[in-house]
Amino acid sequence: DAKTTQPNSMESNEEEPVHLPCNHSTISGTDYIHWYRQLPSQGPEYVIHGLTSNVNNRMASLAIAEDRKSSTLILHRATLRDAAVYYCILRDSYNTNAGKSTFGDGTTLTVKP
Amino acid sequence: DAMVIQNPRYQVTQFGKPVTLSCSQTLNHNVMYWYQQKSSQAPKLLFHYYDKDFNNEADTPDNFQSRRPNTSFCFLDIRSPGLGDAAMYLCATSRDLGQTYEQYFGPGTRLTVT
Repeated sequence: DAKTTQPNSMESNEEEPVHLPCNHSTISGTDYIHWYRQLPSQGPEYVIHGLTSNVNNRMASLAIAEDRKSSTLILHRATLRDAAVYYCILRDSYNTNAGKSTFGDGTTLTVKP
Repeated sequence: DAMVIQNPRYQVTQFGKPVTLSCSQTLNHNVMYWYQQKSSQAPKLLFHYYDKDFNNEADTPDNFQSRRPNTSFCFLDIRSPGLGDAAMYLCATSRDLGQTYEQYFGPGTRLTVT
């Protein structure tokens, strides 16, 4: 399975943008890039996903490098409620691995008031 | 609200005593997953059901079994819990398999083995 590499931890100030990087140099052409986050004592929560083009939704933006070997999750204005572990995941193709997610180690985001 | 519900939120069992964790969903999703998450680690997929088809991960111990009697419910059975099975167990659903479908997670059941 293609793997992802993320920094163990990052810090941000409240109301400032946060850029969370993810490297996935062995990504295959059919892998989608998904981001989930896990708040303390909760189950993971879907954030965003994409294939090649940059994506925006109400929670965040996803910037995908042209060669797809890296991506960046962008929180435009961090709040204290965004403090969580952020996971970058590659979703395998249906035919080979039934679309399963393999979670990497994730980045623990701390937001300072 | 449509959601994924896990009961109980906290479960204590004795070493070697069988335990069952339950998950229900009101999303009418085809796929249900069970993950194990140990302290300070990422979730690890144990198995999933696509409708009634059961798919076990290669490294999931035989001690872990699952049942899905209908679309809404899925159970995780641990036949003889060991101390190393203490973890958070997460249930998740998705509408279908494939790379584009997001997963919806329940709040988890924290299992303690004494």
